[in-house]
Amino acid sequence: TQLLEQSPQFLSIQEGENLTVYCNSSSVFSSLQWYRQEPGEGPVLLVTVVTGGEVKKLKRLTFQFGDARKDSSLHITAAQPGDTGLYLCAGARNQGGKLIFGQGTELSVKP
Amino acid sequence: DTEVTQTPKHLVMGMTNKKSLKCEQHMGHRAMYWYKQKAKKPPELMFVYSYEKLSINESVPSRFSPECPNSSLLNLHLHALQPEDSALYLCASSRSSGLLGGNQPQHFGDGTRLSIL
Repeated sequence: TQLLEQSPQFLSIQEGENLTVYCNSSSVFSSLQWYRQEPGEGPVLLVTVVTGGEVKKLKRLTFQFGDARKDSSLHITAAQPGDTGLYLCAGARNQGGKLIFGQGTELSVKP
Repeated sequence: DTEVTQTPKHLVMGMTNKKSLKCEQHMGHRAMYWYKQKAKKPPELMFVYSYEKLSINESVPSRFSPECPNSSLLNLHLHALQPEDSALYLCASSRSSGLLGGNQPQHFGDGTRLSIL
């Protein structure tokens, strides 16, 4: 059973476009983490959101945690080729460090 | 540069071989994790060590045997693997894995790319 639905799974856009990635669940999470992974490397943490309704910005990336702590979104403004990679959301439910990962979004930004 | 170091980066082994994957962190983290990742898919949790004791085993086949010699090191011993075990094996660490451990970020290594012939 997939507890965290991430969409879209694939996204190919032109440089300068905006995009949004969604992670949705019927379960409540104590926190949600977003990672980015490039080929040949491990996932790198972008942000952790903990409070319902929380919004965090990281340069051109805006992360939001839903009020009920069941969903989250990642919005990228004016995407750059360097944003290309696999984006992963991961929810925590206070189960000894165990994270529930979404299916991932493979983003390709073409110059 | 990642703060979690995994060796080797690549490993090719036959189904009858015995090999080990190694992971090291010097951030003082007390929780360490092994994940298996297939191409373009999310990591799948295999094992969690908390304060050097195995706390989670996600029903992993016994041909994978984890070991935590001390708080900085984590090994994964491999024996009699199958071709479907070919994958990227990721190690991660976090400050702890206690009640609120999931809220703490996990730091990943760059993985070992394992190929089973």
